[in-house]
Amino acid sequence: SQKIEQNSEALNIQEGKTATLTCNYTNYSPAYLQWYRQDPGRGPVFLLLIRENEKEKRKERLKVTFDTTLKQSLFHITASQPADSATYLCALDTPSSQGGKLIFGQGTELSVKP
Amino acid sequence: EAQVTQNPRYLITVTGKKLTVTCSQNMNHEYMSWYRQDPGLGLRQIYYSMNVEVTDKGDVPEGYKVSRKEKRNFPLILESPSPNQTSLYFCASSFARQGYEQYFGPGTRLTVT
Repeated sequence: SQKIEQNSEALNIQEGKTATLTCNYTNYSPAYLQWYRQDPGRGPVFLLLIRENEKEKRKERLKVTFDTTLKQSLFHITASQPADSATYLCALDTPSSQGGKLIFGQGTELSVKP
Repeated sequence: EAQVTQNPRYLITVTGKKLTVTCSQNMNHEYMSWYRQDPGLGLRQIYYSMNVEVTDKGDVPEGYKVSRKEKRNFPLILESPSPNQTSLYFCASSFARQGYEQYFGPGTRLTVT
């Protein structure tokens, strides 16, 4: 069956360290992969989009990698800050041949301690 | 300011009483969709619309209706709400279906008793 999985446990790290979040999927071949941030009770906010032919993308302290062979994306936040504490969602952007949907993982809750 | 608005933000209602949650975007986006978010189940798509007068079912459409008479508006209708529709609902829009960021509304927390 088709599946998308993110770090099942919450991630707790110290301020200043790099947070690494994982998104694994099976039985999809997404054309794009997106990452969102969600604060409690609020709507997700778009962070980054990476295409299937891109290995890595950066935006300020954020970096996303996309390995279509491993079927995995890694999301890094460098020099993390308490304000980075939130739930992070990955989303597979599938082509029409696979349903043409944006399929969300359940999210990883990140807590950055001062 | 580019935004997606939803109303109401909070709603408590009783089983069977029809309700509508409005959604509006000011970015001239073609694509709009509705999601529900439940603990342990993540975001699941209810309905989506590729353009005016074009709507289609998502993964969990049962018990919901939508319409897209104007490009900016995409209301979600619950004709006869039931307790299992208690959830956090999000409307989202994007320039096109694939390859573009989704702009989400602030959410509507619905409780059906």
